[in-house]
Amino acid sequence: AQTVTQSQPEMSVQEAETVTLSCTYDTSESNYYLFWYKQPPSRQMILVIRQEAYKQQNATENRFSVNFQKAAKSFSLKISDSQLGDTAMYFCALVDGAGSYQLTFGKGTKLSVIP
Amino acid sequence: DVKVTQSSRYLVKRTGEKVFLECVQDMDHENMFWYRQDPGLGLRLIYFSYDVKMKEKGDIPEGYSVSREKKERFSLILESASTNQTSMYLCASSLRLRMTNTGELFFGEGSRLTVL
Repeated sequence: AQTVTQSQPEMSVQEAETVTLSCTYDTSESNYYLFWYKQPPSRQMILVIRQEAYKQQNATENRFSVNFQKAAKSFSLKISDSQLGDTAMYFCALVDGAGSYQLTFGKGTKLSVIP
Repeated sequence: DVKVTQSSRYLVKRTGEKVFLECVQDMDHENMFWYRQDPGLGLRLIYFSYDVKMKEKGDIPEGYSVSREKKERFSLILESASTNQTSMYLCASSLRLRMTNTGELFFGEGSRLTVL
C-alpha cells in the first residue's frame, strides 16, 4: 500500500520570505508521479506542481519548486517570495505509474502567510 | 479551462434522509472521483468511476453509493444520512491515467454537508 505523510499540520511564514513544506512517501512502484495541490480558503483545489519519479531534475513552477530525493522518498515544496495568496492548505499526493486511478493524499499542511 | 461543478455548496439534512450530491465536468474526462475531506484526515476516496456505468470502491465506501449514467455526470448518494457523514465532499475528474499520463485531478469547489 502507498502512504504519504505530511508531518507539519500547520506552518506560517512572513510575506516575501521562503518556506518549505515537507512530504515523505512510501511506494513499492519504480515509476510514479508526485504532486502538490493547493486548496485556498473556500476555493477549489488546484495543482501546484508535479514531479515524475524517473526524472532526476527537480520540477519548478515560478515561485514554487520541489526538492525530490528519491532514495529518501522525500518530496518537499519550497515557496519563495511568499505572497498573501499563498495562504492555503497544501496536500502532497502520489500515484503510481502502473495504471492506477487512485491518488494517495497526505493529510495536508495549513500554511498561513503573515503580512 | 476544465470546469467541475458541484450542484450544492452547502446542504443541511436530517438523519435518515436520502442525499444526492451531483457533479458535472465539461472536459470529456473519463475518470471521476468522490472524496471526503475532514480536518486532520486529509482526502479520502469514497468511490471513483473510469467509464459510464462503471464504478470502483475507494477507501471508505460504506454508507455511500454512486451513479454514472452519463460521462459528464457523477452522483454521490447517501441512502440514509447519518451525523458521522457530516463533512466536505469533493468531486474531481481526470483524463484516464496511464503510464504516460500525469494524473492531474481537476476539482470542484466542494459540497459541505451537515447532517443533524
